[in-house]
Amino acid sequence: QVHLVQSGPEVKKPGSSVKVSCRASGDTFNGYSFSWVRQVPGQGLEWMGRITPIFRKVDNAQKFQGRVTITADKSTSTVYMELNSLRSEDTAVYYCARSRAPGLFDHWGQGTLVIVSP
Amino acid sequence: DIQMTQSPSSLSASVGDRVTITCQASQDISNFLNWYQQKPGKPPKLLIYDASTLETGVPSRFSGSGSGTDFTFTISSLQPEDIATYYCQQYQYNNLPLTFGPGTKVDVK
Repeated sequence: QVHLVQSGPEVKKPGSSVKVSCRASGDTFNGYSFSWVRQVPGQGLEWMGRITPIFRKVDNAQKFQGRVTITADKSTSTVYMELNSLRSEDTAVYYCARSRAPGLFDHWGQGTLVIVSP
Repeated sequence: DIQMTQSPSSLSASVGDRVTITCQASQDISNFLNWYQQKPGKPPKLLIYDASTLETGVPSRFSGSGSGTDFTFTISSLQPEDIATYYCQQYQYNNLPLTFGPGTKVDVK
């Protein structure tokens, strides 16, 4: 049984940073890649980037290049997504998702609401 | 970036109806297409991968077809629990970013 458990909701000021965690349990951590997907309230899904811990390989969407940092801690089976220079448009639910095959999101975290407000 | 479009953006159907959603990619993605179901306040759930393969545990009333740029998702007999928004998503190998369609909201009449 695979579980992805994310950190709790955050309220941040514009210009600050947020770091969201996603702890995986129930299966081999190193054998998969993990993506971050966000959803602005009432809108669609947007892929931000992914990490493949066993290869220490990170791919980011060009839109977020320079603002997002995705890391992994193999010792705790946790992946992290840090987003800098926050603006109001970054208010969204941020999901982590596991891929058992390239581009296929078979398990998702519960989501973390990040609110960016003055 | 590969752009994904879906139609319709929303639909309302009766229980037992056949429901069809189409998804179009801006370029050939072979069969690298997934379908997800998302209910309010929940994360998406994988239903179909590789355009037509049913994920384990997903009811057989869900199906997918297509290749290249044009894809179809079908619910053969709509059930009340199928009320959700459905998203297609492409994952053409090494062609980042991975992109989703805008979603189709399905309601019951």
